[in-house]
Amino acid sequence: AQSVSQHNHHVILSEAASLELGCNYSYGGTVNLFWYVQYPGQHLQLLLKYFSGDPLVKGIKGFEAEFIKSKFSFNLRKPSVQWSDTAEYFCAVNGNFGNEKLTFGTGTRLTIIP
Amino acid sequence: DVKVTQSSRYLVKRTGEKVFLECVQDMDHENMFWYRQDPGLGLRLIYFSYDVKMKEKGDIPEGYSVSREKKERFSLILESASTNQTSMYLCASSPLGAGDRNTIYFGEGSWLTVV
Repeated sequence: AQSVSQHNHHVILSEAASLELGCNYSYGGTVNLFWYVQYPGQHLQLLLKYFSGDPLVKGIKGFEAEFIKSKFSFNLRKPSVQWSDTAEYFCAVNGNFGNEKLTFGTGTRLTIIP
Repeated sequence: DVKVTQSSRYLVKRTGEKVFLECVQDMDHENMFWYRQDPGLGLRLIYFSYDVKMKEKGDIPEGYSVSREKKERFSLILESASTNQTSMYLCASSPLGAGDRNTIYFGEGSWLTVV
């Protein structure tokens, strides 16, 4: 069965600090990988996704993630965070067959201190 | 823009009541999903459907059922609500297709409190 691990449950950073949120997955096949963000009081939004090609993917709001197949990882990064990045971040994985369910990690709550 | 609409944002129901959560998507997506979101547990899949009248159990189907009579509508049913079903429920949809098409879009969520 597929699974996703997000080891950081709550991360607190000051503005302008660099961010890296860890995500490791378990899946026995070709995968699609996603990062979703949920701002306070809002619905889940897609931040970025990887399905093939360049393992370094860029998303909205200056976020990027790198797929490292040998490590089964898809870590999220941002070089300089802003107060508005305060949110909960979810990593997710599914198989690349078109009707596969999406499995989420438990999420990482990010708090940015002004 | 893809729109996934959940009919109720906030509900309060009594233990034992039958509860219906409705979801409609406007992008002709084949796949639809119901998740629940709980602090520290992330999102857990309850049921999903990849076609009209088709349904598949997710990771936590116990206590829930679903209905998909039309392509655009996917309903979650709590036959007899219990307090441990107090949660945020998220509906989602996605097109059938591999690769770049494989993106799931979420509704705003329905907060259900069972008292």
